[in-house]
Amino acid sequence: AQTVTQSQPEMSVQEAETVTLSCTYDTSESDYYLFWYKQPPSRQMILVIRQEAYKQQNATENRFSVNFQKAAKSFSLKISDSQLGDAAMYFCAYRRPYNTDKLIFGTGTRLQVFP
Amino acid sequence: NAGVTQTPKFQVLKTGQSMTLQCAQDMNHEYMSWYRQDPGMGLRLIHYSVGAGITDQGEVPNGYNVSRSTTEDFPLRLLSAAPSQTSVYFCASSFGGLGYTFGSGTRLTVV
Repeated sequence: AQTVTQSQPEMSVQEAETVTLSCTYDTSESDYYLFWYKQPPSRQMILVIRQEAYKQQNATENRFSVNFQKAAKSFSLKISDSQLGDAAMYFCAYRRPYNTDKLIFGTGTRLQVFP
Repeated sequence: NAGVTQTPKFQVLKTGQSMTLQCAQDMNHEYMSWYRQDPGMGLRLIHYSVGAGITDQGEVPNGYNVSRSTTEDFPLRLLSAAPSQTSVYFCASSFGGLGYTFGSGTRLTVV
């Protein structure tokens, strides 16, 4: 069974600095999708970034980028120029690409941003 | 506004009561799913559906029923509420599983 591990329960960063959140996963599949979701105190789940495993290039969305290491089964999220609004829980998630709808989530990392 | 609508936002139940959490989406997404979020455990899949008339179990299905009679609606039924079902519940929909839209969640307390 696939599993997703986020080993950092909490992280902190100073405003305008860069922070990296870690995620590792375990799967025997060769094709899959990986996601990072943000959950602010409003508890709304917001998609930050998505990576398809067949793509070599790391996904980027504005200040958010990933370091996808397929062989190492690692999928870290880098937040550049951190802003106060980035403070939230961040969840890493895995999904097989077939006719299923199973997102497997990690336990989350709480990010604090200090001015 | 387009999106996933969950009702109610808050609910308190007594042990043994039953209730239905409603979920509706207006994006014509085929895939819909229910998750529960407990402290320190992330989100765990309860049930999911890949189209009208098709449902399947997720990681923690016991004590919950679902049905999918239309593309738009995917209600979650608690048959006999237990304190262990105290949680925050999220409904999500997606088109082909490439991007998920989540509802705003239902905080359920069972006393």
